[in-house]
Amino acid sequence: AQSVTQLDSHVSVSEGTPVLLRCNYSSSYSPSLFWYVQHPNKGLQLLLKYTSAATLVKGINGFEAEFKKSETSFHLTKPSAHMSDAAEYFCVVIRSYNTDKLIFGTGTRLQVFP
Amino acid sequence: DGGITQSPKYLFRKEGQNVTLSCEQNLNHDAMYWYRQDPGQGLRLIYYSQIVNDFQKGDIAEGYSVSREKKESFPLTVTSAQKNPTAFYLCASMGAPENNNEQFFGPGTRLTVL
Repeated sequence: AQSVTQLDSHVSVSEGTPVLLRCNYSSSYSPSLFWYVQHPNKGLQLLLKYTSAATLVKGINGFEAEFKKSETSFHLTKPSAHMSDAAEYFCVVIRSYNTDKLIFGTGTRLQVFP
Repeated sequence: DGGITQSPKYLFRKEGQNVTLSCEQNLNHDAMYWYRQDPGQGLRLIYYSQIVNDFQKGDIAEGYSVSREKKESFPLTVTSAQKNPTAFYLCASMGAPENNNEQFFGPGTRLTVL
């Protein structure tokens, strides 16, 4: 069965420093993986998605993620945090092959300090 | 502007009352979904519909009901049988499969049962 594990429930960084949000996945086939962002009391917005093309995926707002099959990881990074990046981030995997249903990680809350 | 709307943003109900949450989309998407979000947890799938007049139970359907009489609309009713209905409810939709299963989310409805 497919699953995702977000390794940190909270991450705190200073503005201008790098961001790393960690996600490991478990899948019996080549997965489709997503990162979504949720600002307080809002819906989710897609940051980026991996669908077996390039392993380094660039998303919106300067975020990127690298698919590493050997490590079963899909960590989200950004070189320089901005105050507006403070939000909850979800790593998501497609539930199984040829389906549209998603499995969500438990989320990582990113705090950015001035 | 194309998108998904959910209303109301905040909803308060007395215990034992049924309540219906609205979800409308003008993206011409076939598939629609309802999720429940609780603090510290990822999103959990309540119901989904891949086509008009058809819907399926998700992982936590007990105490909920839905209808899909129109393509644009997928209302969710939280019944008195739902043991712990206080939560943040998110509606999503998805278009053609070639979009790699990207789901678009509404802004959510926060339901509080008093």
